[in-house]
Amino acid sequence: SQTIHQWPATLVQPVGSPLSLECTVEGTSNPNLYWYRQAAGRGLQLLFYSVGIGQISSEVPQNLSASRPQDRQFILSSKKLLLSDSGFYLCAWSNQGNSPLHFGNGTRLTVT
Amino acid sequence: AQKITQTQPGMFVQEKEAVTLDCTYDTSDPSYGLFWYKQPSSGEMIFLIYQGSYDQQNATEGRYSLNFQKARKSANLVISASQLGDSAMYFCALAPDSSYKLIFGSGTRLLVRP
Repeated sequence: SQTIHQWPATLVQPVGSPLSLECTVEGTSNPNLYWYRQAAGRGLQLLFYSVGIGQISSEVPQNLSASRPQDRQFILSSKKLLLSDSGFYLCAWSNQGNSPLHFGNGTRLTVT
Repeated sequence: AQKITQTQPGMFVQEKEAVTLDCTYDTSDPSYGLFWYKQPSSGEMIFLIYQGSYDQQNATEGRYSLNFQKARKSANLVISASQLGDSAMYFCALAPDSSYKLIFGSGTRLLVRP
């Protein structure tokens, strides 16, 4: 069966520090991968998605970036965090085509 | 432009009763999918039910059913026999066929009263 791992679960980082959130998927190959952000009490905003290794599409211009160095690994990064980067970050995967997204447990990021 | 709207920020329901959570959408794609997710206070997003735009029958999954009215562009979630564990945020999402993206609504917070 397929599983998705996302870490860390919580993170507190000072403004201006770098960020690296990692997500890996097991039990499937060539998945679509996604990073979403959820502000407190709000819906999900798509940040990045990837349909293959090295293929990244950005939805929102910002100081975040994403990379997919391996088929089932998706990384969200920032060189310098802003206060506005605080939120709940969710990684997800799906099969090709019109299929449900399966989410990781999320990372709660607080930038201080 | 694709858009998904949930007009109910919060809902209450008595335990064991049914509740309907509203969702309307807008897309020009002839083929698309509609999803409902549940987000408990712990934060994880749990997939509940899926409806394809060409599906002839409304989707059902246990106590969850989707009231799909294509002409009205609505995809309401019906939860029957509500349980205390159903208290959570519920998100409707649209997947246009022309895109890999899943577009989420703003969510409805459901509280089940004992």
